[in-house]
Amino acid sequence: QVQLQESGPGLVRPSETLSLSCTVSGGSGSGGAYFWTWIRQSPGKGLEWIGYVYNTGTTKYNPSLESRATISIDSSNNHFSLRLTSMTAADTAIYYCAADVFYGFFDPWGQGTLVIVSS
Amino acid sequence: QSVLTQSPSASGAPGQRVTISCSGSGSNIGGNYVYWYNQLPGRAPKLLIYRNDQRPSGVADRFSGSKSGTSASLAISGVRSDDEADYYCAAWDDSLSGVVFGGGTKLTVL
Repeated sequence: QVQLQESGPGLVRPSETLSLSCTVSGGSGSGGAYFWTWIRQSPGKGLEWIGYVYNTGTTKYNPSLESRATISIDSSNNHFSLRLTSMTAADTAIYYCAADVFYGFFDPWGQGTLVIVSS
Repeated sequence: QSVLTQSPSASGAPGQRVTISCSGSGSNIGGNYVYWYNQLPGRAPKLLIYRNDQRPSGVADRFSGSKSGTSASLAISGVRSDDEADYYCAAWDDSLSGVVFGGGTKLTVL
């Protein structure tokens, strides 16, 4: 059974770049046939899909974040990553990684990691 | 402003049936599967319903999903106090080429 765990800094300064990692354990690791996905949730708000990377390296992004987001995969080390540039206070959120079986079928999710953008 | 529209809140007394709706368009719900998630306070979302009306193993049969045209619904029969959570619908959107979520419905058990 696949399990996911996010890691990364809890605090990022405005204009800096956020780097988060999601470690995949169980199943076939990050080499499994999933769309490895990042989703975020601003405080008190709903869910926002950021994008995914497939195990072939193919990526797709939310058009609203595409210019700033990069999702990559490292199958040999069983993790995938999110890089989000030019962070602002509006990017303060809980960031979740998730395994997408098929275009919205997110199961499981990581526990989430809170990222605060502040100087 | 979420692409999928949900009522912000729903409520019901213990034992009642509660329905949560999700409205979209032809580019998302109308042409793709709908998924439902619940999120307990302080927890990550959890899959409740997949492919419109399928329950993952471990999800109680009190939860059921349906879809008609560009709308979908989640029904909870015999609602319990531990069902209090936020409920989100999701679907692939062909126009955006990405997954879109509803704004979430907060369920209160009276």
